[in-house]
Amino acid sequence: NAGVTQTPKFQVLKTGQSMTLQCAQDMNHNSMYWYRQDPGMGLRLIYYSASEGTTDKGEVPNGYNVSRLNKREFSLRLESAAPSQTSVYFCASSSWTAGPDTQYFGPGTRLTVL
Amino acid sequence: ELKVEQNPLFLSMQEGKNYTIYCNYSTTSDRLYWYRQDPGKSLESLFVLLSNGAVKQEGRLMASLDTKARLSTLHITAAVHDLSATYFCAVDGRTSYDKVIFGPGTSLSVIP
Repeated sequence: NAGVTQTPKFQVLKTGQSMTLQCAQDMNHNSMYWYRQDPGMGLRLIYYSASEGTTDKGEVPNGYNVSRLNKREFSLRLESAAPSQTSVYFCASSSWTAGPDTQYFGPGTRLTVL
Repeated sequence: ELKVEQNPLFLSMQEGKNYTIYCNYSTTSDRLYWYRQDPGKSLESLFVLLSNGAVKQEGRLMASLDTKARLSTLHITAAVHDLSATYFCAVDGRTSYDKVIFGPGTSLSVIP
């Protein structure tokens, strides 16, 4: 099993450009998440998807959109990138047993917006 | 709104010593997670604590949960250099389905 995979691993954008971060999991998990990690701030939840066909906002959703394409895939789109979106982005997935079980994280995408 | 705090944020300790990292959270929850992150790497699950009084141990790490005090501890026994990493606690918000909030992390450095 590959677990959680993310592409790309690194990306440099200019302000105003758009891009989509891809995430896929092969663990048959219902729930998937997108986080951003900035120095000294832990991980902040951008969007999550409790199950296929549903998405909901997290703590910092502004400037992002998501698509839960199917049970395996959850993508994050930046429509018009800004320097404030320079960060490391992690995708995660979990099963659910009366609440979210432990999350499995992908390797991360390092995004720089110039 | 759920807030998760960790104490200390930075910790430098000698090999062989014991220490405790604290995780406080602001609203009711009975599900708490501990993760480890090595520099430049992703996060790896350490423990999931599911009820008041839960205690879990793995090697030199032991985690506990007191839901009444809204407090979890991660105790390190006889630290070794390989434990150097950043440790995050995270809490199930229960304010909406499946939302998990992370603390700021504790950066641990174990000095030989």
